[in-house]
Parts: sequence; structure tokens; C-alpha cells
Amino acid sequence: DGGITQSPKYLFRKEGQNVTLSCEQNLNHDAMYWYRQDPGQGLRLIYYSQIVNDFQKGDIAEGYSVSREKKESFPLTVTSAQKNPTAFYLCASSTAVLYEQYFGPGTRLTVT
Amino acid sequence: AQSVTQLDSQVPVFEEAPVELRCNYSSSVSVYLFWYVQYPNQGLQLLLKYLSGSTLVKGINGFEAEFNKSQTSFHLRKPSVHISDTAEYFCAVSAPAMDSSYKLIFGSGTRLLVRP
Repeated sequence: DGGITQSPKYLFRKEGQNVTLSCEQNLNHDAMYWYRQDPGQGLRLIYYSQIVNDFQKGDIAEGYSVSREKKESFPLTVTSAQKNPTAFYLCASSTAVLYEQYFGPGTRLTVT
Repeated sequence: AQSVTQLDSQVPVFEEAPVELRCNYSSSVSVYLFWYVQYPNQGLQLLLKYLSGSTLVKGINGFEAEFNKSQTSFHLRKPSVHISDTAEYFCAVSAPAMDSSYKLIFGSGTRLLVRP
């Protein structure tokens, strides 16, 4: 089955540690996206990538980093510089033609 | 700049009653519009989309939406809801990004609560 996988489902970290969230897709989509979701605020775009080896900052990129070395993979690193990292993180992908985005199941990150 | 407003943060409704979830957008260019549904602790699932053509769009699970350009609205409707429709619903509009690609702007969501 084609789709997007995110791992792990739940992640716990101590403050000051970097953590990397995984996102893999087998839909052969060119574009991939990372969103952050907080209660009552909808989804906010962190980073996106339209093609391998290229990515762009979204609306809230500070404290995050990404890489896009393979078409199928778009990992997100939450660095210690992110002041409030506890949130639900969603990865998505799309083709340039269809515009709609397909979402993974999400990773809930808790930093204490 | 594009923006999306979902006027109701929560909509309670009884089972088998009709429901409308409201969405208004602002944009200076032609847009594509989407509705997504999110069940607790899950990702978003596409319900329906408007790209062009007929302004009445039918989606999955018996939902439909009507694009109204003059009122800049894209309200979601269902004639008879089920308990299983309880979820968070997000309206989204496409927007041009800095690198000539597109990105989605999401509303803050409407929680549909279906009561027996």
C-alpha cells in the first residue's frame, strides 16, 4: 500500500537534546512538508521541499532543520534552540500537479 | 496574503441531523480549496477539494461543499451526521510560495461533536 509513514508515534526527550523525526513516503511524490500542530492553532508550516537536495523555510522554521537526500525521505530535526518543542508533528507529501497534500499519522513529541 | 477563517471552533449536533461547517477565505488570486478531517491522534485525511469547474463538490463519507466566489466561502455540509463523524475539520486554501510552488494555508479547525 502506498502512503506516508512517520516514526515513532510518541517521542519523549529531555530539554536541551536534539531529536530527529522520521518521515518516509512511497507515493513517488516530489514535494514533502513538515507541519506543527498545537491545540486551537491549526497547522503551521515548518519546512517544505519541492525536490531532492532543496528545501525552503516555512512560517515557523526557527529551531528546526531538515534534509532531503532522497525523494522518499524528509527527516525533521528539532534542535535545542526550539523554545517550545512539545507539539504534534505532521509530515505530508504532494505532486506538483494535484496540489492536495497527503498526510502521515503524526509524531507526538513531548519535551520535559 | 491568503488566509482562512473557520468561524466556529466547535459545532455540537445530534445524530442524524444536518450540519454545516463554515469556512471563509481571503485571496487576491485564484485559489484551490480543500477540506480535511482529523480523528484524534491521527493525521489529516482529504475529504474533498475544489480546483475548478462545478462549484458543488462531493467528497467522501457523504460530505459536500459549495464554492462561492462572491462570498469567498467554501462551507462544508452533510445532510445527516453519524457518531463516527465526530472529529476535527480543517479548511485549507492553496497559496503561492516564495519559490513559485504552492503551499496550503489552514484554518484553525472546527471540532464537530455528534451526540446520540
